[in-house]
Amino acid sequence: AQSVAQPEDQVNVAEGNPLTVKCTYSVSGNPYLFWYVQYPNRGLQFLLKYITGDNLVKGSYGFEAEFNKSQTSFHLKKPSALVSDSALYFCAVRPNRDDKIIFGKGTRLHILP
Amino acid sequence: EPEVTQTPSHQVTQMGQEVILRCVPISNHLYFYWYRQILGQKVEFLVSFYNNEISEKSEIFDDQFSVERPDGSNFTLKIRSTKLEDSAMYFCASSAGAPGYTFGSGTRLTVV
Repeated sequence: AQSVAQPEDQVNVAEGNPLTVKCTYSVSGNPYLFWYVQYPNRGLQFLLKYITGDNLVKGSYGFEAEFNKSQTSFHLKKPSALVSDSALYFCAVRPNRDDKIIFGKGTRLHILP
Repeated sequence: EPEVTQTPSHQVTQMGQEVILRCVPISNHLYFYWYRQILGQKVEFLVSFYNNEISEKSEIFDDQFSVERPDGSNFTLKIRSTKLEDSAMYFCASSAGAPGYTFGSGTRLTVV
């Protein structure tokens, strides 16, 4: 079955430190990969996507993600965390252009002042 | 930047009542979707819609659910007889094809 795993329910990082939110996937073929962020009582905001090409993808708000095909991972990173980055982060995959997006269960990121 | 618009932002309904959630997708998009998120939990696929018909639906999307594109601009999700467990945030999304969607800001449905 196709799936997305976010192994951490919560990640705590001190402000100014680098952050990583982990994501691995189990999907056949060459999927499209996404990160979305959800702030309290808000919708899903697109952060970044990987389609093809350079394995390091840069997105909104200083976030980036690294695609690793051999490890089937797409970890979200930021060099220096801000308190305002505190939110719920979802990794997602789209197996091909006509398929639905499959979401991970989400990782709650807490940036500590 | 074009947006997917959902109305209402919050709807409270009595158990057993019918509810219609409305969405206006981005105008040149061809693929439409509904997802739901039970409070603070995983975002789950409900249904995809293309060329005026359902292209895929999940196990959640049973006979109580239906979708419609009545006038070429709106895309609606109807729940015929709401249950307490239908309480969730419902997200509409649209796409022009690959690679990604644009999500709306969601409708929070509370069934009492």
